[in-house]
Amino acid sequence: QQKVQQSPESLIVPEGAMTSLNCTFSDSASQYFAWYRQHSGKAPKALMSIFSNGEKEEGRFTIHLNKASLHFSLHIRDSQPSDSALYLCAEYTNAYKVIFGKGTHLHVLP
Amino acid sequence: GALVYQYPRRTICKSGTSMRMECQAVGFQATSVAWYRQSPQKTFELIALSTVNSAIKYEQNFTQEKFPISHPNLSFSSMTVLNAYLEDRGLYLCGARDRTGGTLYFGAGTRLSVL
Repeated sequence: QQKVQQSPESLIVPEGAMTSLNCTFSDSASQYFAWYRQHSGKAPKALMSIFSNGEKEEGRFTIHLNKASLHFSLHIRDSQPSDSALYLCAEYTNAYKVIFGKGTHLHVLP
Repeated sequence: GALVYQYPRRTICKSGTSMRMECQAVGFQATSVAWYRQSPQKTFELIALSTVNSAIKYEQNFTQEKFPISHPNLSFSSMTVLNAYLEDRGLYLCGARDRTGGTLYFGAGTRLSVL
């Protein structure tokens, strides 16, 4: 059964820090990967996505995909208190399913 | 923009009774709808995937007999939790995608409590 594992489960960083969130997946044939962010009491919303190996940057957020090592990561530069949320890693499988990890709770302290 | 309205937001039911939740897609055609459960332990489980003109596919540990789903058109889907018990508690989310198969647009979720 396909699995998406995220680490750490919880993370506390000071404002201005670099935050790194990690995800491992089980199927190297999956084509598409994404990070979703869920603020408390709200619906998850797509943050960034990537199709191929490599890196993608949007503002303070950078995602990195390495299919060979089955690793997908999200990096947040200059973390802000408003970045505090549950971050979910998503693997879009070839069976048209989207599998999520358990999530990482990020707390950015002002 | 693309939006998904999900209702009710919260529901409390007695053990052994059933409850139904609905999702309405606005601004796009919901070619596929996935139902998830986010448990008190924050596990994010896929329950089933419904694609228009295809059979609904349930994940291991979830069955049509327990979680019947309806997806009659490109804007609406519903799921019922039959004979709800304590282990069914959690936040149920619907996520819809259009034909391009990209971003999942989520409803705000239905939080189910069971007494």
